[in-house]
Amino acid sequence: DAKTTQPPSMDCAEGRAANLPCNHSTISGNEYVYWYRQIHSQGPQYIIHGLKNNETNEMASLIITEDRKSSTLILPHATLRDTAVYYCIVRVPFGNEKLTFGTGTRLTIIP
Amino acid sequence: DAGVIQSPRHEVTEMGQEVTLRCKPISGHDYLFWYRQTMMRGLELLIYFNNNVPIDDSGMPEDRFSAKMPNASFSTLKIQPSEPRDSAVYFCASSAIQGRNQPQHFGDGTRLSIL
Repeated sequence: DAKTTQPPSMDCAEGRAANLPCNHSTISGNEYVYWYRQIHSQGPQYIIHGLKNNETNEMASLIITEDRKSSTLILPHATLRDTAVYYCIVRVPFGNEKLTFGTGTRLTIIP
Repeated sequence: DAGVIQSPRHEVTEMGQEVTLRCKPISGHDYLFWYRQTMMRGLELLIYFNNNVPIDDSGMPEDRFSAKMPNASFSTLKIQPSEPRDSAVYFCASSAIQGRNQPQHFGDGTRLSIL
């Protein structure tokens, strides 16, 4: 699975959009980008995933650049409950069910 | 719907004792995963099962660790004998096989302290 690079920490004001970047310059054509988050003292929670098109669900939007070497997770209206560590993971979903977690980005929502 | 259920939530025991962690996956899920999280090593996969069969145990640290899945609704992770360096939070996760992009759903973990 390709390696990902994320900033170690970010702050965002409550009510604003939180934009979390991820670099995955060695991604291969059949690898998907997944995002999970881990709120303190809880297990990781799936947020969203995508291959090359932008994706949106009830939690977030995922923007993947055209060359697929980077992506951005967008939380449109951040709340205090979005304070968590966010993990960007790149993997091939077929034949390998492993998730390899990096160090993630610690997002703090400021009141 | 009930999520992944782990027990106990907290376990404190002395080194040398046997420790058994338990997990009930989401009903209908075919994959079950055991992870360990420490400050030093982050989240790391220990082992995973598909249809109750262990598929990849390359992350199991040593022979003191063993995992079983006797049926589709129950799995255990056992440490015998336990050591202080086994102190960590252990997570269980499950996912469905229908559609390969099914996300993993995690339990809230077992916080294990070995004294």
